[in-house]
Amino acid sequence: QVQLQESGPGLVEPSGTLSLTCAVDGASVSGVNWWTWVRQPPGKGLEWIGEIHPSGRTNYNPSLESRVTLLVDESKNLFSLKLTSVTAADTAVYYCARGGGYRFDCWGQGSLVTVSS
Amino acid sequence: QSALTQPASVSGSPGQSITISCTGTRSDVGNYDYVCWYQQHPGNAPKLLIFDVSHRPSGISHRFSGSKSGNTASLTISGLQAEDEADYYCCSYSSTSTWVFGGGTKLTVL
Repeated sequence: QVQLQESGPGLVEPSGTLSLTCAVDGASVSGVNWWTWVRQPPGKGLEWIGEIHPSGRTNYNPSLESRVTLLVDESKNLFSLKLTSVTAADTAVYYCARGGGYRFDCWGQGSLVTVSS
Repeated sequence: QSALTQPASVSGSPGQSITISCTGTRSDVGNYDYVCWYQQHPGNAPKLLIFDVSHRPSGISHRFSGSKSGNTASLTISGLQAEDEADYYCCSYSSTSTWVFGGGTKLTVL
């Protein structure tokens, strides 16, 4: 059974950088899947952030592309998200998920990140 | 990249059927059979219900079904149960190699 677990600071200062990692258990990040980040502001809907393939290929939400970097660390079997120049609008629960076969079939439990001074 | 359009809320009584619509454009829903539906209970992560418009992952009840016509996809839940009360999100692949979600629909079981 594949399990994903997000981790990272729960509080980030405005204009700072949000950094999260997603540890994968039960599957290899080096395989055929794409690895995805989705966020959900409090009380609002889901927003796709971007995805990365172990080959290094990435696709990003155009509205976030200038601030987002996704990486895969095959040695640690995890992938990561960096979002720069954050504002209060970036406050959200951030989910990592496994993509592949044109669906997100396995999700982490989510990590709440609050942007505040 | 605009969000797909879903009704904000729907409701039904136990045993009834309801349908949630998801309207996109020719660049996403209308151009690809890569539409998914997710169920999200409060405080939980989304759960995949339907992929490729109408396919159910193993373990998902046959009460959940999906379809598509033109730029609009639909999720139908038959034999409504109290446990179906949740938020539902559609999602589609897009021509720009990106993904777009719907705004979400809150289902109330009366």
